[in-house]
Amino acid sequence: GAVVSQHPSRVICKSGTSVKIECRSLDFQATTMFWYRQFPKKSLMLMATSNEGSKATYEQGVEKDKFLINHASLTLSTLTVTSAHPEDSSFYICSASKGQGPYGYTFGSGTRLTVV
Amino acid sequence: GENVEQHPSTLSVQEGDSAVIKCTYSDSASNYFPWYKQELGKRPQLIIDIRSNVGEKKDQRIAVTLNKTAKHFSLHITETQPEDSAVYFCAASLNQAGTALIFGKGTTLSVSS
Repeated sequence: GAVVSQHPSRVICKSGTSVKIECRSLDFQATTMFWYRQFPKKSLMLMATSNEGSKATYEQGVEKDKFLINHASLTLSTLTVTSAHPEDSSFYICSASKGQGPYGYTFGSGTRLTVV
Repeated sequence: GENVEQHPSTLSVQEGDSAVIKCTYSDSASNYFPWYKQELGKRPQLIIDIRSNVGEKKDQRIAVTLNKTAKHFSLHITETQPEDSAVYFCAASLNQAGTALIFGKGTTLSVSS
């Protein structure tokens, strides 16, 4: 079945530094990658949608200069949290979909980011 | 854009009872409605889904019903067990290339034995 590998699973970084999160589709070509953010005991909030080879589309209120998304290939998408601050601490999770139907959504295992 | 409302936010039942979680959506064009179970710190796990050309779908103790006219869909769990305790999310999408799932706010289900 479709598998998305997400790394790292946990990361602790200092304020002001940048952190990169990777999502790889292992056995299919992910035409589209979705990035979500989840605060404790809250829902998954869509941050952005990225299509391979195109600029990401960000949801309202999400700073594109802070959350840099790259989807340079059909198997790899990255989210870089730049100049991280404690309020960026959250659970980040990616979801990939193929370009052809029936469309399904395959989730990565998530990344717990803690900014100290 | 799509907006998904989910109720209740918390639900406590006794083992063996049934549990029902309800969701409404705003975009009449949405045609794919999955339900996910999520344990703390883990990825959402798809438990059942329904597409707009079907009114009901069942998988053992779990069923989902869809009313497209009213734009609502529900998750039904029968004969609940303690291991059913988790957070459940409904979601909706257009199910076309490049369209994301939009999630409800979640329901914390507690099943006591």
